[in-house]
Amino acid sequence: GIQVEQSPPDLILQEGANSTLRCNFSDSVNNLQWFHQNPWGQLINLFYIPSGTKQNGRLSATTVATERYSLLYISSSQTTDSGVYFCAVGDRSNDYKLSFGAGTTVTVRA
Amino acid sequence: NAGVTQTPKFRILKIGQSMTLQCTQDMNHNYMYWYRQDPGMGLKLIYYSVGAGITDKGEVPNGYNVSRSTTEDFPLRLELAAPSQTSVYFCASSWSGGFESTDTQYFGPGTRLTVL
Repeated sequence: GIQVEQSPPDLILQEGANSTLRCNFSDSVNNLQWFHQNPWGQLINLFYIPSGTKQNGRLSATTVATERYSLLYISSSQTTDSGVYFCAVGDRSNDYKLSFGAGTTVTVRA
Repeated sequence: NAGVTQTPKFRILKIGQSMTLQCTQDMNHNYMYWYRQDPGMGLKLIYYSVGAGITDKGEVPNGYNVSRSTTEDFPLRLELAAPSQTSVYFCASSWSGGFESTDTQYFGPGTRLTVL
């Protein structure tokens, strides 16, 4: 299956700081999603972004499919941004099933 | 819409016991999934279904069984529980399985299972 590597594994931010999370994947993909898992364990989809750039409020994501990576940007971070961010990828040869990375744990301090 | 609901929230099993984790979605989604998440790890796919009556194995199916008799329900059965099955289990659903640009997976709140 497709291998997914996320970096950094841990990130500590001061409130108001900006950050970039990276997701590298080992093969071409047709399905790429970013998720946020809050400290209570709930998983929320942030973006469906197999290519291109999208923005949603203070979050944005860019996927460069030809170079097999995706970036998630957090601007003006808030304490509510704390949690684990997962990148997950899939491709049509595998029924688009998602393979998850190990995640980046983000802690935003007030 | 309640979205994806899972029961129970927590459960402790003894080695060798069996149980069923329930999952229901009210979004009329075709695709449903079961994942497990071990501490500090990402999610691994156990089983998935592309519609009522159709199921298939994911990455880690051993020790589990599923059925999909209706669009709404996708229960996960654990037979002969083992300590290695201690994990948090998430059910998810989506409309098209990732074929469409508007498609995303919606997750339930999870079931925390401990096998002692």
